[in-house]
Amino acid sequence: EAGVTQFPSHSVIEKGQTVTLRCDPISGHDNLYWYRRVMGKEIKFLLHFVKESKQDESGMPNNRFLAERTGGTYSTLKVQPAELEDSGVYFCASSQDRVSVDTIYFGEGSWLTVV
Amino acid sequence: GEDVEQSLFLSVREGDSSVINCTYTDSSSTYLYWYKQEPGAGLQLLTYIFSNMDMKQDQRLTVLLNKKDKHLSLRIADTQTGDSAIYFCAVRGLYNFNKFYFGSGTKLNVKP
Repeated sequence: EAGVTQFPSHSVIEKGQTVTLRCDPISGHDNLYWYRRVMGKEIKFLLHFVKESKQDESGMPNNRFLAERTGGTYSTLKVQPAELEDSGVYFCASSQDRVSVDTIYFGEGSWLTVV
Repeated sequence: GEDVEQSLFLSVREGDSSVINCTYTDSSSTYLYWYKQEPGAGLQLLTYIFSNMDMKQDQRLTVLLNKKDKHLSLRIADTQTGDSAIYFCAVRGLYNFNKFYFGSGTKLNVKP
């Protein structure tokens, strides 16, 4: 069974450009999460989808970030325009059961560098 | 929100025990986790403990929870060079179960 896959694995863009990160959750997982780690700091929650609906987007830093999950399958996270402080690694995770203890699976992350 | 604190670095010699510490602020935290991130890789769940437990052992890993002090530790026995990685402590709240709060990660360096 395929795990959570993220694309691209690495991206280098210039300040002011747009980047779109994609996450494919494990098949059948209704819950999809985005987290990010910037500049060696803690990993922070960005938002949570249940199917195609945003359940909690309290962690989205500002309106330069837009997350979508059309059809309740894969999700995209767009950063437009990108700023230097957006550099970091963006993790996607998915789970089937919202209240499961350990069945939240993380992808390998999309490493974003804004120069 | 929850604050989760970890020391940034730990260096040990191969064969020694490693102890990675974590403190958190929200006493309602229900599940507490340790994740491992190897270079260039994603987050791998190592182990977790429920808040009504004070210890959990899984092969070379021992998790200790002091709920009164809001202190969590991960002990790795007989540390190997393959254990070199960043270890993240994460807690999950009672009232917002879908949100993990992570620490900044402890980089473990194992010297041969």
